Amino acid sequence: RKEVEQDPGPFNVPEGATVAFNCTYSNSASQSFFWYRQDCRKEPKLLMSVYSSGNEDGRFTAQLNRASQYISLLIRDSKLSDSATYLCVSKAAGNKLTFGGGTRVLVKP
Amino acid sequence: GVTQSPTHLIKTRGQQVTLRCSSQSGHNTVSWYQQALGQGPQFIFQYYREEENGRGNFPPRFSGLQFPNDSSELNVNALELDDSALYLCASSAPDGYGYTFGSGTRLTVV
Repeated sequence: RKEVEQDPGPFNVPEGATVAFNCTYSNSASQSFFWYRQDCRKEPKLLMSVYSSGNEDGRFTAQLNRASQYISLLIRDSKLSDSATYLCVSKAAGNKLTFGGGTRVLVKP
Repeated sequence: GVTQSPTHLIKTRGQQVTLRCSSQSGHNTVSWYQQALGQGPQFIFQYYREEENGRGNFPPRFSGLQFPNDSSELNVNALELDDSALYLCASSAPDGYGYTFGSGTRLTVV
């Protein structure tokens, strides 16, 4: 079983719609969680950190549920430019990041 | 930012390859990741103060170096076809602050 698991998608989303997806993690020692965005053939870029209290950054909302060991990302009012692969990431002690396989999102006009 | 070279590379099975990474200014921790097509990045190893201080599930033919100026190399010996991937370098402060990826080196083994 992979340490961080994601639905690979693709999630086909009409422009302006809301899309949400989760990932699950198995390492209970994980301390920090992040969502990264990766465009085709580019490096991953930090989208946002994820906190238990939930956090919002513009149209993006992230949530952590430690009891059920899952992380969610919600994108409101989807834009064409939101088309990308979203990587769920956990970090235990040290600087090693553990990535999920990514969820592909395609926003269509 | 973090710069990696070369951007693309084609090697033959059995050869050796060296990939290079220059850290972001002020960052003295360097991590390397392998990202196969359609998968998430996988942690290879991390260097701090010129010593390896963390390693993922990769064989010993994957080795690295960190230099006093915090730049780094990833060396892969006896290349296999499955080593074809995007290799990402990331630098950060020791506490993980400012974790930043380079744009990667795309290695193709034929």
